[in-house]
Formats: sequence, C-alpha cells, structure tokens
Amino acid sequence: DQQVKQNSPSLSVQEGRISILNCDYTNSMFDYFLWYKKYPAEGPTFLISISSIKDKNEDGRFTVFLNKSAKHLSLHIVPSQPGDSAVYFCAASVEQGGSEKLVFGKGTKLTVNP
Amino acid sequence: DAGITQSPRHKVTETGTPVTLRCHQTENHRYMYWYRQDPGHGLRLIHYSYGVKDTDKGEVSDGYSVSRSKTEDFLLTLESATSSQTSVYFCAISNRRTNEKLFFGSGTQLSVL
Repeated sequence: DQQVKQNSPSLSVQEGRISILNCDYTNSMFDYFLWYKKYPAEGPTFLISISSIKDKNEDGRFTVFLNKSAKHLSLHIVPSQPGDSAVYFCAASVEQGGSEKLVFGKGTKLTVNP
Repeated sequence: DAGITQSPRHKVTETGTPVTLRCHQTENHRYMYWYRQDPGHGLRLIHYSYGVKDTDKGEVSDGYSVSRSKTEDFLLTLESATSSQTSVYFCAISNRRTNEKLFFGSGTQLSVL
C-alpha cells in the first residue's frame, strides 16, 4: 500500500533545460509535502516543501507545485545543472499515533547531461 | 550533516549475530529517527524517539530495537541479523514534533552475509 508514488525511477535532461519530477499520493490527510535530494554515499538533504494550503512554492531554481484535487505534486528545476544530478525523494507528512511522520516515495534518479 | 554522526559507516556481519548502529547528534534536537533505504522501497521508518527513554515503532520495526539513554545518542540494534536486513541505515533528527525538514546523517551500509 504505497501512499506516495514516484512512478519514474529515472529521468535524464540536458543542462539548461527544465527538469520535472512527479509525485502522486493517495492519502488525502497528508498536509505537508517535501522534496529531498540525495547524492551517492550521503544522507538525504531537504530541498523544498509546500503546505497543503498552497499550490506553489518557489526557491531559486526550484519550484514545487501541488494539485490537491489530483493528489499530485511536481518539482521543477529551471535551469537544470549537472550538479543537480541526484536521487530526489518526494515525502508527505501525516499524523499517525499522535505524531506526524513522513512517508517517502521510492525516489527518482535525475541525470543532467552537460 | 547538521552535527549528526553515524557509526560505523560500513559493517559486514554474519547472519544470526547481533549488531548495534549508533547515531550521535550535537544539535540537542529532541526527535531522532532511524530509516532504512532499499532499492525499490525508498526510505522507510524503523523506529523513532521523542526524547530520552521515549521511543516508538515505525513501519518496519520487526527485528529491530532501539534505545535512547541520552539526548545525543540513539542506538539501533539488530538482535539477530538476517540477510533481509542488508541495507543502508540513516539516522535523522528534528527539533519539532512535526518532522518536516529532517536532517539526515551520512548513513551506515550494513551487509549481512
């Protein structure tokens, strides 16, 4: 029962173009969404987040869009750079057992080609 | 890595042996978590802690136990390691009840042969 789905295991784009990473979720109780970035042999690092009361959040080259009716969020990276090559995890926050926990997707490996 | 140290970074062990992984933080954050990362599964929560001697189970807690005797240390123990526990283990910390913006350690690569 996968509540957060990243259906594309990998994505390859050219430097300077837009990267769009997608994430779908099934639990309508999720109230906060995050993207984490992970380089090999390192721990994930927080990238950007969005509250369920918003539909867009922007931070420099990174923008996250949330479509609640479709239970879909996406991460846009413009322009893409080779240093953006990493695995990107989508995560959603849900209250469970009196506390809020993060549910992660399986990740999408982004490769940005020079 | 926001003052988080995981040890060891790599470990190879045999099936049936006990294994303890350590997470040490210097941020004085109240909340600590253990995740495992496996291909095709993403990150899955094993156990977490709200504070000293206050822990609870995550979604994949079977075969694991934890202890937190000090704010800065969170130990994950595999009582009797199995090959299915071969994974990369990440510790994470947060200073809020809601665990947005977790800060992760660099991970421990565990191989159970």
